Amino acid sequence: DAKTTQPPSMDCAEGRAANLPCNHSTISGNEYVYWYRQIHSQGPQYIIHGLKNNETNEMASLIITEDRKSSTLILPHATLRDTAVYYCIVRPPTGNQFYFGTGTSLTVIP
Amino acid sequence: GAVVSQHPSRVICKSGTSVKIECRSLDFQATTMFWYRQFPKQSLMLMATSNEGSKATYEQGVEKDKFLINHASLTLSTLTVTSAHPEDSSFYICSARVERGGRHEQYFGPGTRLTVT
Repeated sequence: DAKTTQPPSMDCAEGRAANLPCNHSTISGNEYVYWYRQIHSQGPQYIIHGLKNNETNEMASLIITEDRKSSTLILPHATLRDTAVYYCIVRPPTGNQFYFGTGTSLTVIP
Repeated sequence: GAVVSQHPSRVICKSGTSVKIECRSLDFQATTMFWYRQFPKQSLMLMATSNEGSKATYEQGVEKDKFLINHASLTLSTLTVTSAHPEDSSFYICSARVERGGRHEQYFGPGTRLTVT
């Protein structure tokens, strides 16, 4: 069961920050927020995950609201290679497999 | 680390034949692997959970006799599509689970494009 809601599509100008929102209003206390992306005809690629604190790595930043009911993935300087479908997934730390929702199709425009 | 490979990357087969897809965890052992299917312009749909040394658990609506899953070792799971038909044409993706820091992380393979003619 996908427990997240994402906009179906977004555009972003090359070089600008891409902010991808995700609603997960029914998230449980021990569930993490994961972000993956899928470039056309490839397997999903891990981006970042977090529990309640904001997280940053070499690919992106993850901002989780204080009530944890929503989050935003930030690609600070989008490039054409960031064009992909981005999936926001919530799941407990152990056990359960990932259930994918419909994701957000991000198009980076030159 | 945590690389998952699939073989073949693309396969074309004739209707009625069977085709086997391999999923390997290259630098870690995975007691659990998952198989997904993705139709064009749709999201990934979980087909089954494969546990090493035991029978796979299939999602509702997935025919276990048609999609045979074998997980004979900690680094290899196979999906065999038996008596394939054109409607089985899809993108098949596996993933492998590993425990890191008390959490289960999941890594995905590059996918296998199956075309049944």
